[in-house]
Amino acid sequence: DSGVTQTPKHLITATGQRVTLRCSPRSGDLSVYWYQQSLDQGLQFLIQYYNGEERAKGNILERFSAQQFPDLHSELNLSSLELGDSALYFCASSVGPGENEQFFGPGTRLTVL
Amino acid sequence: GENVEQHPSTLSVQEGDSAVIKCTYSDSASNYFPWYKQELGKRPQLIIDIRSNVGEKKDQRIAVTLNKTAKHFSLHITETQPEDSAVYFCAASRGTYKYIFGTGTRLKVLA
Repeated sequence: DSGVTQTPKHLITATGQRVTLRCSPRSGDLSVYWYQQSLDQGLQFLIQYYNGEERAKGNILERFSAQQFPDLHSELNLSSLELGDSALYFCASSVGPGENEQFFGPGTRLTVL
Repeated sequence: GENVEQHPSTLSVQEGDSAVIKCTYSDSASNYFPWYKQELGKRPQLIIDIRSNVGEKKDQRIAVTLNKTAKHFSLHITETQPEDSAVYFCAASRGTYKYIFGTGTRLKVLA
């Protein structure tokens, strides 16, 4: 157990819908990262927050947004869902904003039908 | 933009043999190079990392080497065991900037 929690574990929804994925970082970690992993694919970096502020952006679609709250938990919002958005979404946390070990949560598996 | 190339994409070795996975990064300012192991259906976990002021680091059967001039770093696993079978990801990071992950190597250790 890495200490990073993600909810829900599984999510099944329809095209066009909107969902929210939630992540709680390890105690003491200020950075949160979001990744998308499609079947048999690598880890696509979406976005990073550090102590409530957006720090870096990857290939995140405009339909996706995220935020980190004062208690440091983070939410990833996915809207106007398409079939291709089906994937495993990982959240990771680290102590600092960059060159540190990242601790991954168990992931949320999103299925868009 | 920055990227990290990782080779090979799949690797099969006999149990007891060594495995080597190589990564090349493009951002010369990168200074932190972690390796993650992801077993089937599980989360990625750090197995070893190296910083730019070090050329090599070992931890039991696992070692990482870094060549900053060539912008290469490699993961070496000796005396492979079936439980080493997994997908391995390299990454490169610069200061407070984001990680860039490689595309992954699926390692199969044949008993």
